[in-house]
Amino acid sequence: EDQVTQSPEALRLQEGESSSLNCSYTVSGLRGLFWYRQDPGKGPEFLFTLYSAGEEKEKERLKATLTKKESFLHITAPKPEDSATYLCAVYSGGSNYKLTFGKGTLLTVNP
Amino acid sequence: DGGITQSPKYLFRKEGQNVTLSCEQNLNHDAMYWYRQDPGQGLRLIYYSQIVNDFQKGDIAEGYSVSREKKESFPLTVTSAQKNPTAFYLCASIRGAGNTEAFFGQGTRLTVV
Repeated sequence: EDQVTQSPEALRLQEGESSSLNCSYTVSGLRGLFWYRQDPGKGPEFLFTLYSAGEEKEKERLKATLTKKESFLHITAPKPEDSATYLCAVYSGGSNYKLTFGKGTLLTVNP
Repeated sequence: DGGITQSPKYLFRKEGQNVTLSCEQNLNHDAMYWYRQDPGQGLRLIYYSQIVNDFQKGDIAEGYSVSREKKESFPLTVTSAQKNPTAFYLCASIRGAGNTEAFFGQGTRLTVV
């Protein structure tokens, strides 16, 4: 069974204080690892897909990396508008393709 | 604009009533998914479908039903057998070929009254 564990559950940063969120996973036949941002009462907003160990992707202040067991979402010099819940999900292969989520990390950036 | 549309945004259900949540996509994605989100629980998979006229149960399918008669549409029915239906429901679709991307609708908040 595919499993995704995100840590920490909550993270509070000062504006400009860089940090990383972790997503550990176990999956059979990884077809992709997704990162999302979710604001309260809204659907998740797609950020990145990572496919293989060693891959990195960047978008503004966010950088996602992938190893064989985990992924990191690095946030450089965050701003208050980066405050949101960040979700990680694995898309696994086999006869039926499942998309399994972690519980998310609630990020709060204080001005 | 391409995207996923969920309706309604808010839905109220009386005890013992079945209700149907709509999910439509114009992204030409093959796979569609339904999730339930509760505070502190993350997203839990209800049903998913890879092709028309075929779907699979997810981790919490009891009390729910789906159909996939068209590629663009994947409606979810919350039946009276679902004992705790109050939640935020999210629909997603995935383009699995080439660059894989998975997009969500804006959700339906269901409340039992």
